Amino acid sequence: QVTLRESGPALVRPTETLTLTCSFSGFSLSSHGMCVSWIRQPPGKALEWLAFIDWNDGKYYSTSLRTRLTISTDTSKNQVVLTVTNIDPVDTATYHCVHHLWYGDKYYFDYWGQGALVTVSS
Amino acid sequence: DIQMTQSPSSVSASVGDRVTITCRASQGISNWLAWYQQKPGKAPRLLIYAASTLQSGVPSRFSGSGFGTDFSLTINSLQPEDFATYYCQQGNSFPYTFGQGTKLEIK
Repeated sequence: QVTLRESGPALVRPTETLTLTCSFSGFSLSSHGMCVSWIRQPPGKALEWLAFIDWNDGKYYSTSLRTRLTISTDTSKNQVVLTVTNIDPVDTATYHCVHHLWYGDKYYFDYWGQGALVTVSS
Repeated sequence: DIQMTQSPSSVSASVGDRVTITCRASQGISNWLAWYQQKPGKAPRLLIYAASTLQSGVPSRFSGSGFGTDFSLTINSLQPEDFATYYCQQGNSFPYTFGQGTKLEIK
């Protein structure tokens, strides 16, 4: 049974760095084909994919946010960490950690964490 | 980036109706498309991947089709639990992108 859970601060001040942790179980990120992404959703708005990391430490980022995002993993702890620098009120959103389904050499999002609501305000 | 455009943005329907939602990609993505259902306050749920493959546990009244740039999600015989927001997502290449969502409301 795959489960993911996000943790981090609920309130962040503008210009600070946001650090979110995804703790997961039911799979190992060091196993071939395993991947995790971060996806966010501002209140009342659409989903936005942010970052991806795979079993081989391959990483990809959103084009518009790539200079502010860093994704990393601690395989021994079954955790994936996302940092967002220079945070702004427009970054207010629910941040989801997501496991990938690997099919036909492509990936889809099959297991989602419940999400962590992060509010950016002074 | 590949842009994904859904239509309509919202649709009203009744229990028992058939509804179709469309999604268009700004460039060809083969059949690398997924559909998700999201209910208020909940995480999205994967319904269909590779354009037409039903995820395990998803009712057969949901179906998907399409290839290249044009895709559709059809829900036959709408049930009360189907009223939600639906998103398409391209899995062809990074960065992954979603459509803006289609809200399915009860008429």
